[in-house]
Amino acid sequence: GENVEQHPSTLSVQEGDSAVIKCTYSDSASNYFPWYKQELGKRPQLIIDIRSNVGEKKDQRIAVTLNKTAKHFSLHITETQPEDSAVYFCAALRGKLIFGQGTELSVKP
Amino acid sequence: EAGVAQSPRYKIIEKRQSVAFWCNPISGHATLYWYQQILGQGPKLLIQFQNNGVVDDSQLPKDRFSAERLKGVDSTLKIQPAKLEDSAVYLCASSLVSMTGVSGNTIYFGEGSWLTVV
Repeated sequence: GENVEQHPSTLSVQEGDSAVIKCTYSDSASNYFPWYKQELGKRPQLIIDIRSNVGEKKDQRIAVTLNKTAKHFSLHITETQPEDSAVYFCAALRGKLIFGQGTELSVKP
Repeated sequence: EAGVAQSPRYKIIEKRQSVAFWCNPISGHATLYWYQQILGQGPKLLIQFQNNGVVDDSQLPKDRFSAERLKGVDSTLKIQPAKLEDSAVYLCASSLVSMTGVSGNTIYFGEGSWLTVV
């Protein structure tokens, strides 16, 4: 079955810096890769997603890149703000959605 | 638009007791999911329904967990008897259509039911 590895597990940046979170997946047939943001005690919320026929997608300060050959995808957050602090999960779809272990992002003012 | 509703939000039970969680998906969403999220980990799919049929329950510990979705709308997840390692957040989610074979369809999560087994 699909396996998703996510790195790093924790990430601390200064406000205004960029943050990058990376995920690798095992099943080359996976075709959809969403990213969720989860604040403490809250539900996971979709922030951006990418399909397997696209290499990059951007939405304001957030971008996702996908390398199908290497089977990895990354989340990029530019100009980070304290409200970006949360746990971020990547996921890959191959019949069912498999999540990574999460990255706790801390943005220091 | 109303989101995915779950209850109860919090539950504390002793081991070997039973507990049931309820979920009402977004109106019109055919697919309903139950995920288990242990503290510090990503959500793990327990069971996926398409309307009132089970699509995937390969990760559901069937000796103690059961779930049903009568009439293809609301769903209940039951644990009996509970173990200490069942302490987790149980997230219900829904999507418009099944993600199986479909290249992406947004899954919307509820706020979760927090279970503590003591």
